[in-house]
Amino acid sequence: QMTQSPSSLSASVGDRVTITCRASQSIGGFLNWYQQKPGKAPKLLIHGVSSLQSGVPSRFSGSGSGTDFTLSISSLQPEDFATYYCQQSYSIPLTFGGGTKVQI
Amino acid sequence: EVQLVESGGVLIQPGGSLRLSCAASGFTFGSYWMHWVRQVPGKGLEWVSRINSDGSPTSYAESVTGRFTISRDNAKNTLYLQMNSLRAEDTAVYYCARSPQGFSGYVDNWGQGTLVTVSS
Repeated sequence: QMTQSPSSLSASVGDRVTITCRASQSIGGFLNWYQQKPGKAPKLLIHGVSSLQSGVPSRFSGSGSGTDFTLSISSLQPEDFATYYCQQSYSIPLTFGGGTKVQI
Repeated sequence: EVQLVESGGVLIQPGGSLRLSCAASGFTFGSYWMHWVRQVPGKGLEWVSRINSDGSPTSYAESVTGRFTISRDNAKNTLYLQMNSLRAEDTAVYYCARSPQGFSGYVDNWGQGTLVTVSS
């Protein structure tokens, strides 16, 4: 089970934002992050805790290990307002966190 | 360019059956693991199933095990999800998604989704 916090947050352009994801058991480095905008399919941001997917801006970063993980956005941009999901790929069934909605 | 196009979503009565399709293009379909992920409108993401590049093995979420079957036709570049004994709680947008080559636990390309509504 993957638990994200907070479930929503309000921030301004230029803010640093941090989203936390906790696994119910150790998942090593098998943690991925997705971004989803309203009406659109999710988009892969980060895989393997900290590897930035091709084309994703460097203001996004990931860290953590074991059970506790973090997605950070160093300087929030207007296009970053979206919902973010973590996902473990350590074991079947693959599971997602409940999501964190980043709002203005 | 990778393209995944789902089809088959409809309004269907509880207990009914439905087959979703996902037409793939822009990559060598038969070399990649494929997945179905669903999302109740306004809610979070739920992984449903995955299938190996050559059709076996397959895996399922507990919520659909015994009712849903994933399959693929590599000659037709198409992924399928056979959904039987549908329930109201299966109502969702169903996304077809691809894993990166050599990986099976996460996805790097998604379709636009197809809406399945289970209601009487």
